[in-house]
Amino acid sequence: GDSVTQTEGQVALSEEDFLTIHCNYSASGYPALFWYVQYPGEGPQFLFRASRDKEKGSSRGFEATYDKGTTSFHLRKASVQESDSAVYYCALGEQGGRALIFGTGTTVSVSP
Amino acid sequence: GPKVLQIPSHQIIDMGQMVTLNCDPVSNHLYFYWYKQILGQQMEFLVNFYNGKVMEKSKLFKDQFSVERPDGSYFTLKIQPTALEDSAVYFCASSLGTGDYEQYFGPGTRLTVL
Repeated sequence: GDSVTQTEGQVALSEEDFLTIHCNYSASGYPALFWYVQYPGEGPQFLFRASRDKEKGSSRGFEATYDKGTTSFHLRKASVQESDSAVYYCALGEQGGRALIFGTGTTVSVSP
Repeated sequence: GPKVLQIPSHQIIDMGQMVTLNCDPVSNHLYFYWYKQILGQQMEFLVNFYNGKVMEKSKLFKDQFSVERPDGSYFTLKIQPTALEDSAVYFCASSLGTGDYEQYFGPGTRLTVL
């Protein structure tokens, strides 16, 4: 079945550092790809999506580009802030499907 | 942004009892979902619901689980009877469509089965 792999389980950074979280997917069709962010005690919040090859999604300084060739959707931010500390999930929406398939999540901790 | 509400935020019950988790989805959304997250693990899809019917369910959606949304009120997940392995945080979500439509999630209900 379809799946999402996030390489980093935990990332520790200082403010103004560059953030990269690697996300790779496996899907039989042409899925939509999402990034969600989850703060303690809350549900996942939609960050952005991309639906086709080479499309870039972005929000709040975060960005990721859909790459069908490498089956990747890596999350990047040039300069993180303490308020970016959260768990980040890459997710896949199957073509014509209804469920979101989530990666295992990456906990980002940013210290001042 | 749009808000999904969940009631209660916490529920503690004894194994074998029935529990109902309630979700108030975004008002104009058509598709409703339940996901399960065991502490420290990833979010896993349980079921989705559209036009009064279950459209898709995962193998985690056991026979003891049921969902409904009577007369446009709360979208509910009922577990009867509960088991110890049902302890988790249950997230409700809703969306306008499927595929590349974003899903909006509630804050979750933490269920503890003793």
